[in-house]
Amino acid sequence: QIQLVQSGPELKKPGESVKISCKASGYTFTDYAMHWVKQAPGKGLKWMGWINTYTGKPTYADDFKGRFVFSLEASASTANLQISNLKNEDTATYFCAREFITTSFDYWGQGVMVTVSS
Amino acid sequence: DVVLTQTPPTLLATIGQSVSISCRSSQSLLHSNGNTYLNWLLQRTGQSPQPLIYLVSKLESGVPNRFSGSGSGTDFTLKISGVEAEDLGVYYCMQFTHYPLTFGSGTKLEIK
Repeated sequence: QIQLVQSGPELKKPGESVKISCKASGYTFTDYAMHWVKQAPGKGLKWMGWINTYTGKPTYADDFKGRFVFSLEASASTANLQISNLKNEDTATYFCAREFITTSFDYWGQGVMVTVSS
Repeated sequence: DVVLTQTPPTLLATIGQSVSISCRSSQSLLHSNGNTYLNWLLQRTGQSPQPLIYLVSKLESGVPNRFSGSGSGTDFTLKISGVEAEDLGVYYCMQFTHYPLTFGSGTKLEIK
């Protein structure tokens, strides 16, 4: 069955970096785009951008340009999100989500809680 | 950016009651290709969001038919015909017509 399994929770200090993974299984990874969504504690959902899993080209929402990098390990059917120079406001749960041909997010990862605290 | 305004922010319902959630967009979600990319999702507490409806009114696979979506242009509605206990959580609309993609602020459904 189709699954998106994300890496575990992270506790980081301001200024550090973090890399989150999203491993896909049950389908051909390169056939569907992967999106990233941020959810701050107790808040709603915010779209961060997406990566073309066939070409590897990332697209970032304006608020996520600069310190955020989407990448792939296509041979491992894995999408990654790296955040550098972490700030307190990066504390959130980060979800990966597959975009289906219906233009909806039909499968989501379980989310990764990133806590940034000194 | 497209702003999606959901009302009400909180909904209190009894089992079996029918409820509706409104999602209003700051601009038309009708794409130049004729499709309207408005989706609905449900996030249960402590879980990932799950898709309910895409293209305004099409049910995702496995979603019970007590859920229905309607609307066009800038005004959209999610209706639950006969709320069940498993329906509690936060409902989000989201639009896929314009970049950046945006989500509504959410409607929390609570069961009386």
